[in-house]
Amino acid sequence: EVQLLESGGGLVQPGGSLRLSCAASGFTFSRNAMTWVRQAPGKGLEWVSFIYSDNGATTYADSVKGRFTLSSDNSRDTLYLQMNSLRAEDTAVYYCAKNTIFAFDIWGQGTMVTVSS
Amino acid sequence: QSALTQPPSASGSPGQSVTISCTGSSSDVGGYNYVSWYQHHPGKAPKLMIYAVNKRPSGVPDRFSGSKSGNAASLTVSGLQTEDEADYYCSSFAGSSTWVFGTGTKVTVL
Repeated sequence: EVQLLESGGGLVQPGGSLRLSCAASGFTFSRNAMTWVRQAPGKGLEWVSFIYSDNGATTYADSVKGRFTLSSDNSRDTLYLQMNSLRAEDTAVYYCAKNTIFAFDIWGQGTMVTVSS
Repeated sequence: QSALTQPPSASGSPGQSVTISCTGSSSDVGGYNYVSWYQHHPGKAPKLMIYAVNKRPSGVPDRFSGSKSGNAASLTVSGLQTEDEADYYCSSFAGSSTWVFGTGTKVTVL
């Protein structure tokens, strides 16, 4: 079964850091580009970051550029999102998703990040 | 990276059709044939319903269809069923390996 499982969410103070993980199974992780999407409470989905499977190149939304870093470990079939200098507006459920033809066909259940003092 | 514009809500009775619009710009919707649509039941993982404007992934009923004209795309759900009640989001490739989502539409089955 194709599956993505996020972990690492929690409560963090403004200015703090958190690292999210996304464990993949049921497909060849190293051959697939991956994405993070978030949803703030009561708000819509927001694209956050993307990583190419072949060269590890990454892109970021302007709202997180310079603060978030996306990486992958193909030996562990795991995606990581390092989040630094967290702000209250980063509070959201974070989903990892597998890319298909310029879309996202497999999603995890999400992990909640709360930034609050 | 401005969100695509969707109506906040749409509704229809069982068996009827509902169409959701998604308006962007020439930098996203109008510039690429890579609009996708997602069904999201709160608390669950979003589900891909349409990709590349009008293609359905395996397992998605043919009651769901997509189209695009200029800077606007749309999703039509025909033969509404109670399980179609959910939030729906459009998304478009926006160039340079970036994407943008729509503001979301809550579909209610009356």
